[in-house]
Amino acid sequence: AQRVTQPEKLLSVFKGAPVELKCNYSYSGSPELFWYVQYSRQRLQLLLRHISRESIKGFTADLNKGETSFHLKKPFAQEEDSAMYYCALSYNFNKFYFGSGTKLNVKP
Amino acid sequence: GAGVSQSPRYKVAKRGQDVALRCDPISGHVSLFWYQQALGQGPEFLTYFQNEAQLDKSGLPSDRFFAERPEGSVSTLKIQRTQQEDSAVYLCASSLAIGAGGTDTQYFGPGTRLTVL
Repeated sequence: AQRVTQPEKLLSVFKGAPVELKCNYSYSGSPELFWYVQYSRQRLQLLLRHISRESIKGFTADLNKGETSFHLKKPFAQEEDSAMYYCALSYNFNKFYFGSGTKLNVKP
Repeated sequence: GAGVSQSPRYKVAKRGQDVALRCDPISGHVSLFWYQQALGQGPEFLTYFQNEAQLDKSGLPSDRFFAERPEGSVSTLKIQRTQQEDSAVYLCASSLAIGAGGTDTQYFGPGTRLTVL
């Protein structure tokens, strides 16, 4: 069963434009949601997690339990934001489910 | 400090060969995870260790896959009689602990790219 869905494989925006990377999940309990990022030729790294309710590099994500969504947003995209972004879910702290990823391309 | 390291970085195997992939987690990290990432897909959970105990191996795709972490540090993922569908990047991640407040941050290694011919 697909637990994490990222509907967009590729998202292209111009520098300075707002960006929203979509993530929907299927789980009826109280999962932990995460966004991971992989920059070119770098390893996968945590961007943010919903329980921290923090903003990292200008990105925020709000957990919407009614819509089972955890979309990643940034009001003004920068060229250095170009990367692969993965949404991930964990519900028992020792198993993680990742989406298939969205490639963000920020054009100058 | 040193992050998670994996070796080899690239491995080419003929179908039917056995392979062993190594993961060196960050020193002191209790939890260790293995993932399989096929081309164009996100990482897919394989197995999880807490110290030397393998607490979850439900993601291992077949009994040809075996993982161990005998001393609670270095881990090895072994694949017997490799098949073409095993071709993927194998990622290892470690975290400090699983705390009562939630999941600690996972730190990923660079991965091992396995190609089965």
